[in-house]
Amino acid sequence: SQQGEEDPQALSIQEGENATMNCSYKTSINNLQWYRQNSGRGLVHLILIRSNEREKHSGRLRVTLDTSKKSSSLLITASRAADTASYFCATAPYGGSQGNLIFGKGTKLSVKP
Amino acid sequence: EAGVAQSPRYKIIEKRQSVAFWCNPISGHATLYWYQQILGQGPKLLIQFQNNGVVDDSQLPKDRFSAERLKGVDSTLKIQPAKLEDSAVYLCASSPLRGPWSPLHFGNGTRLTVT
Repeated sequence: SQQGEEDPQALSIQEGENATMNCSYKTSINNLQWYRQNSGRGLVHLILIRSNEREKHSGRLRVTLDTSKKSSSLLITASRAADTASYFCATAPYGGSQGNLIFGKGTKLSVKP
Repeated sequence: EAGVAQSPRYKIIEKRQSVAFWCNPISGHATLYWYQQILGQGPKLLIQFQNNGVVDDSQLPKDRFSAERLKGVDSTLKIQPAKLEDSAVYLCASSPLRGPWSPLHFGNGTRLTVT
């Protein structure tokens, strides 16, 4: 079953703009991770945020986590054409099978030059 | 470090035929996963190995899917017989540690088309 739901399903922006993607989930979690997938390729890990953290930064990425609302957001600042990809949130359910990440359906981001 | 290797990259078979996928994880990674990704969806876990033992295969359709990880390194995933709904990308991933804190390293996947 899929726990995470990304919103929007698709997002199209111009280079230089910021992109925000949201993820909602259903059960308590140990952590939430974001992955990127370029067309025809595997997923690449971007960032992990623990359940006791509220915000985390990595380069042009900013992730927030609101456990009371069971939601997370991924912000990509100053987007580039190379950021064009699908972005997935993945949750590690609290008490679940260790290492069993549950992925959402993803947000397809298109950055136009 | 070399990434997760998978082969073949593409496979087209007819329904009721059998197919096998191969995965070589990153050297030293004890945990190996097989995920199924249907077009337009996120990956769904099929099976998780810790060394050569199965940790979680609760979502593996065991009547037709099987997987093994001999010697705790390479792994193969087999489908026999294939159905149309098995058309998907099969992704292998590995991580150095067991548990939810270790990010996964994915291969580029095998795209299976069942006709």
